[in-house]
Amino acid sequence: DAGVTQSPTHLIKTRGQQVTLRCSPKSGHDTVSWYQQALGQGPQFIFQYYEEEERQRGNFPDRFSGHQFPNYSSELNVNALLLGDSALYLCASVSLAGGTEETQYFGPGTRLLVL
Amino acid sequence: RKEVEQDPGPFNVPEGATVAFNCTYSNSASQSFFWYRQDCRKEPKLLMSVYSSGNEDGRFTAQLNRASQYISLLIRDSKLSDSATYLCVVNTHGSSNTGKLIFGQGTTLQVKP
Repeated sequence: DAGVTQSPTHLIKTRGQQVTLRCSPKSGHDTVSWYQQALGQGPQFIFQYYEEEERQRGNFPDRFSGHQFPNYSSELNVNALLLGDSALYLCASVSLAGGTEETQYFGPGTRLLVL
Repeated sequence: RKEVEQDPGPFNVPEGATVAFNCTYSNSASQSFFWYRQDCRKEPKLLMSVYSSGNEDGRFTAQLNRASQYISLLIRDSKLSDSATYLCVVNTHGSSNTGKLIFGQGTTLQVKP
């Protein structure tokens, strides 16, 4: 039973560029959340996708956008990268459509470095 | 003021020690509470949920005081493998772990032989 997977594992970009990060949820999960974790800090909620729509959003600028596909996988896009966007980007999945599991499981994350 | 506040530590303790972590949250409407564990350069993993009645899982005990908006985690008989960062987590929009989770900064524990 595959857990949450994310790609790529590491990424280096320069200021002003755009980046796309990918997440596949745990088998049986239909909801994906994205978090940003800066060094030495706890993860911060970016947004959550369910039924291919943004369900909740945290305090992040519009440069951060996302998408969920019919197979429940998700992408996080960040435009006009800033140095401060350097962080570990975590994806978490859960099932909202029923089932017995109500715990978010996190993927291993994508480490983004912006130079 | 941060929504969830923790002492970042580090806490350096010998094997076998008892260690307690504290956390406060600012939103009185918060509905569900958790402790997550995060190993170095790894993803956070749910350690345990926290209930008003208190709950215990082996060497770990979690307590919630809604009146004081205070959450605690007690680890007894510390093991080397307990070395990690412990994250206090709050959900203000539901009674489960399914929605937006608000994390504290994390408290680092280092257990030494």
